[in-house]
Amino acid sequence: ETGVTQSPTHLIKTRGQQVTLRCSSQSGHNTVSWYQQALGQGPQFIFQYYREEENGRGNFPPRFSGLQFPNYSSELNVNALELDDSALYLCASSLVDRTGELFFGEGSRLTVL
Amino acid sequence: GQQVMQIPQYQHVQEGEDFTTYCNSSTTLSNIQWYKQRPGGHPVFLIQLVKSGEVKKQKRLTFQFGEAKKNSSLHITATQTTDVGTYFCAENSGGSNYKLTFGKGTLLTVNP
Repeated sequence: ETGVTQSPTHLIKTRGQQVTLRCSSQSGHNTVSWYQQALGQGPQFIFQYYREEENGRGNFPPRFSGLQFPNYSSELNVNALELDDSALYLCASSLVDRTGELFFGEGSRLTVL
Repeated sequence: GQQVMQIPQYQHVQEGEDFTTYCNSSTTLSNIQWYKQRPGGHPVFLIQLVKSGEVKKQKRLTFQFGEAKKNSSLHITATQTTDVGTYFCAENSGGSNYKLTFGKGTLLTVNP
């Protein structure tokens, strides 16, 4: 049990729609990262938030955006969904001054039809 | 960008046999982390290696970081059915940026 909770756990959308995924960080953690994991692949870094600002971004288009709130919870928004966006979206929290260990949530599985 | 390559992609063993997965990079790694993901689950942190030639043990698991910091391995002695899952290595670029670059993972299945 990592203390990181994500919602929803599963959802189905159609091409062109928009989706918002939510994450509640582990208590005391001030950094949240989002990863996309396609089936049979390793997680891919989308972006990280620290002190409510984006602090690093992977190779994802601008239609992937996020927010971090004062209570360190976070949202991932994806606009204009494409079929290839179907994946498990993982949120991970950490403490910026610690060893780098990430605490992952259970993920939100998105299916785009 | 930095890539970490993992081999093998799959490994099936009989319970009690040993298992090793390897992680390789063409460039020097700042550090390496290992995660385990059970089927249908999420990645769970196992360990981080930072120093050249570092070896760490956790019960039946042994983790090594190469002298040149370009490779790492995870060895499991006498596998059990609870070891089933995908093992990922990941490089942490360090600092305040916790961008992890994951390998594709090695899926371990164990026949009881």
